[in-house]
Amino acid sequence: GAGVSQSPSNKVTEKGKDVELRCDPISGHTALYWYRQSLGQGLEFLIYFQGNSAPDKSGLPSDRFSAERTGGSVSTLTIQRTQQEDSAVYLCASSFGQGIYNEQFFGPGTRLTVL
Amino acid sequence: AQSVTQLDSHVSVSEGTPVLLRCNYSSSYSPSLFWYVQHPNKGLQLLLKYTSAATLVKGINGFEAEFKKSETSFHLTKPSAHMSDAAEYFCVVSDGTNAGKSTFGDGTTLTVKP
Repeated sequence: GAGVSQSPSNKVTEKGKDVELRCDPISGHTALYWYRQSLGQGLEFLIYFQGNSAPDKSGLPSDRFSAERTGGSVSTLTIQRTQQEDSAVYLCASSFGQGIYNEQFFGPGTRLTVL
Repeated sequence: AQSVTQLDSHVSVSEGTPVLLRCNYSSSYSPSLFWYVQHPNKGLQLLLKYTSAATLVKGINGFEAEFKKSETSFHLTKPSAHMSDAAEYFCVVSDGTNAGKSTFGDGTTLTVKP
C-alpha cells in the first residue's frame, strides 16, 4: 500500500485485558512514531523508533505500555491491563529519516475503547 | 528546546470569508515548521511545510503560511473558507533538538458556517 496502515481500526476491550495495536509504515521509512489522541485533545507523543537505534520511550505514560518494531518495519504497541483512561485514538506515523525537513505520514488510527 | 503555541483553540468563520489560524514557535535554531489538518475521524494530513527556503509557503487546498522569524510566527491563512475546511489544524515545529522528535501544538478547531 502507499500509505501508513493501522489495525484494527476499532478495538473495544474490557478493563484489565491486554491489547495489541499494529502499524505498517510506508516502505523505506526509517522513522516510526506512536501518538495518543484523547477526545478533543492534541497529540501526545508515546514512542519513537529510528532505524536500528534504541527507541525513545520517553512518552510512554506507564510501564503497562510497550512497543516493538520488528525488522525495521511493522510496529506493535501493547497495552497491558488496560484502564478506562487508556481509551483514545492511537495514531502511528512514519517518516523518511529523522531529518527536521521530513514530514510525518499518519495512519488512520486505532480507536481504543476500554469498558 | 523547541515549543509551539497555537493561540486559538477554536476559530469560527463564515463560508467565503478569510481564515487565519495563528501559531507561534520557540526554537534556538533554524526550525522546520509544518501545518497538518485532521478531518473528523481521519488521520492527519500534511497541508504545508517550511524548511528554510521561501518564507511564504503554499500548500494544498488553497492554504498558505508565512514564516516570520522576527515575530516567531507561522500563521496559516486561506483567502476564502469552504465548508470542507472544517477540521482540526495542528502546527508543528522541528529543529533537531528534541532527539529527532517534532513538537505538536494543541490544535485549532476550525468551524465554517454556511
